[in-house]
Amino acid sequence: QVQMQESGPGLVRPSQTLSLSCTVSGDSVASDEPYWSWIRQPPGKGLEWIGYIYRIGHTFYNPSLKSRVTMSVDKSNNEFSLKLTSVTVADSALYFCVRYESGVFDHWGQGSLVIVSS
Amino acid sequence: EIVLTQSPDFQSVAPGEKVTITCRASEDIGNSLNWYRQKPDQSPKLLIKFVSQSVSGVPSKFSGSGSGTDFTLTINSLEAEDAATYYCHQSRSLPQTFGQGTKVEIK
Repeated sequence: QVQMQESGPGLVRPSQTLSLSCTVSGDSVASDEPYWSWIRQPPGKGLEWIGYIYRIGHTFYNPSLKSRVTMSVDKSNNEFSLKLTSVTVADSALYFCVRYESGVFDHWGQGSLVIVSS
Repeated sequence: EIVLTQSPDFQSVAPGEKVTITCRASEDIGNSLNWYRQKPDQSPKLLIKFVSQSVSGVPSKFSGSGSGTDFTLTINSLEAEDAATYYCHQSRSLPQTFGQGTKVEIK
């Protein structure tokens, strides 16, 4: 049974860096597949794919966020992370870590709400 | 970027009735179209993969059809627990994108 759990600060100041981690159980972040993803959802709005990381260091990011996003993997703790720099109010959202395998997002964390506010 | 447009945005349906949600892609995505359900205060859950393939643990009242640019999710025999927002998702090309969502309310 794959389980995923996000963690990180719930409040980030404008222009600062948002940092989240996702702890995975039931699978290995070091595997060739699946891909380890981040998806966000602003309050009351739809889903936006941020990007994913696979084979430890390979990444694909959404071009709309690419200049501000970094993803990484920590094999020793079986977790992966998201950093989003220079945040604004528009980055306030529920951030999900999600497993992507064989073309589908098949396991989702419960989500971590991040509010950007001074 | 491939844009997915769902219709309707909102639908109110009585228990036992059928719901049909459509998803139109801005270009041909073959069969790389998936459907998810997001109940209030929960994370999305995969319902249908690759247009019409069933997902383990998902009731057979959920079905999908279509190809190319036009796709449909059908929910038969609507129940109270089906009150949710439904999203389509394309995995054909990057960036991966989702439809804007269709909120289904139970009358």
